[in-house]
Amino acid sequence: GENVEQHPSTLSVQEGDSAVIKCTYSDSASNYFPWYKQELGKRPQLIIDIRSNVGEKKDQRIAVTLNKTAKHFSLHITETQPEDSAVYFCAASKDNLNKFYFGSGTKLNVKP
Amino acid sequence: DSGVTQTPKHLITATGQRVTLRCSPRSGDLSVYWYQQSLDQGLQFLIHYYNGEERAKGNILERFSAQQFPDLHSELNLSSLELGDSALYFCASSVQDGLGQYFGPGTRLTVT
Repeated sequence: GENVEQHPSTLSVQEGDSAVIKCTYSDSASNYFPWYKQELGKRPQLIIDIRSNVGEKKDQRIAVTLNKTAKHFSLHITETQPEDSAVYFCAASKDNLNKFYFGSGTKLNVKP
Repeated sequence: DSGVTQTPKHLITATGQRVTLRCSPRSGDLSVYWYQQSLDQGLQFLIHYYNGEERAKGNILERFSAQQFPDLHSELNLSSLELGDSALYFCASSVQDGLGQYFGPGTRLTVT
């Protein structure tokens, strides 16, 4: 099956700096890659997603890039704010989006 | 509020018991996914239903089962509970398979 690896496990940045979280996947058939943000004690929330037919997608301060050849995708957060502090999960899916495989999560701490 | 509801919010039970977790998807969503999140762990995909039919199974134990009813709500049944089953159980729904999943608030299960 699919194996999704996520790095780093923790990331600490200064407010205003950029943060980058990387994920690799093993199955070249995976074609949908969502990112979720989970604040402490809350539900995961979808923040951005990308399909394999595009290489980059942006939404305000958040962007995701996908390299299909290398089988990795990354989350970029610019101008970080303290409210960006949370655990971020990447995921990958194939098989008509019937199954999802998640990375182990990155705990982002934005220091004011 | 994502529009996905889960009951109960908390559940404390003893080893060997059986429990049922309930999920109501957003109005109009046909897909329901179940996930398990253990303490300080990532999200593990358990099972996916679409319009009443099972679509895919992930790392779901044989002691666990699920179903989706004609009104589209779903139930996850956990039996012969063990201490290691203590976790947060989330369901998520989406209109189409997988795209834009909305998570419920979760049910925290504690097995003593």
